Amino acid sequence: NAGVTQTPKFRILKIGQSMTLQCAQDMNHNYMYWYRQDPGMGLKLIYYSVGAGITDKGEVPNGYNVSRSTTEDFPLRLELAAPSQTSVYFCASSPGLAGVADTQYFGPGTRLTVL
Amino acid sequence: AQSVAQPEDQVNVAEGNPLTVKCTYSVSGNPYPFWYVQYPNRGLQFLLKYITGDNLVKGSYGFEAEFNKSQTSFHLKKPSALVSDSALYFCAVRDPRNFNKFYFGSGTKLNVKP
Repeated sequence: NAGVTQTPKFRILKIGQSMTLQCAQDMNHNYMYWYRQDPGMGLKLIYYSVGAGITDKGEVPNGYNVSRSTTEDFPLRLELAAPSQTSVYFCASSPGLAGVADTQYFGPGTRLTVL
Repeated sequence: AQSVAQPEDQVNVAEGNPLTVKCTYSVSGNPYPFWYVQYPNRGLQFLLKYITGDNLVKGSYGFEAEFNKSQTSFHLKKPSALVSDSALYFCAVRDPRNFNKFYFGSGTKLNVKP
């Protein structure tokens, strides 16, 4: 199993550009998540999905969009990049079957800089 | 507001000595705390969690954590530190009202010196 994979690893964007951060998991997990990690801060939830076709907002959804057309993939879209979106982005997945005991598995992250 | 605090940005210990990384939280209801570890250029890896039962939870790589409901704390411990334990440690608390939401602390960098 590759686990949770993310592409690209690094990206520099200009203000106003758009891009999609890719996330895929091969563990047949129901739940998937997107977080951002700012320097010196903990992770903050952007969006999550409990299954294909179902997504919901987290703490900091503004400026982002997601879709989940398959169990495996959960791309994150930035439409008009702003410097405030400079961050490290982590995708995670979990089985979604164990309730409070459900454990998340994280990808290696994408480091995004917006100039 | 819900919050998780890791009061130490950095903890330095000598190899073979015991280590403690602190975590306290302010989350409504009966939250469920977790610990994750992050090695350089890697994603977070699960270490341990408290769900119910014994307040002393044992996890991966010899780590354990003590759940204290009255003090709303979940400190991470290890009796004898290894140089390979050097990494960034995150405390996270699952929201009991929405199991999909976690609140993360800002992380503590553990440095274990030979």
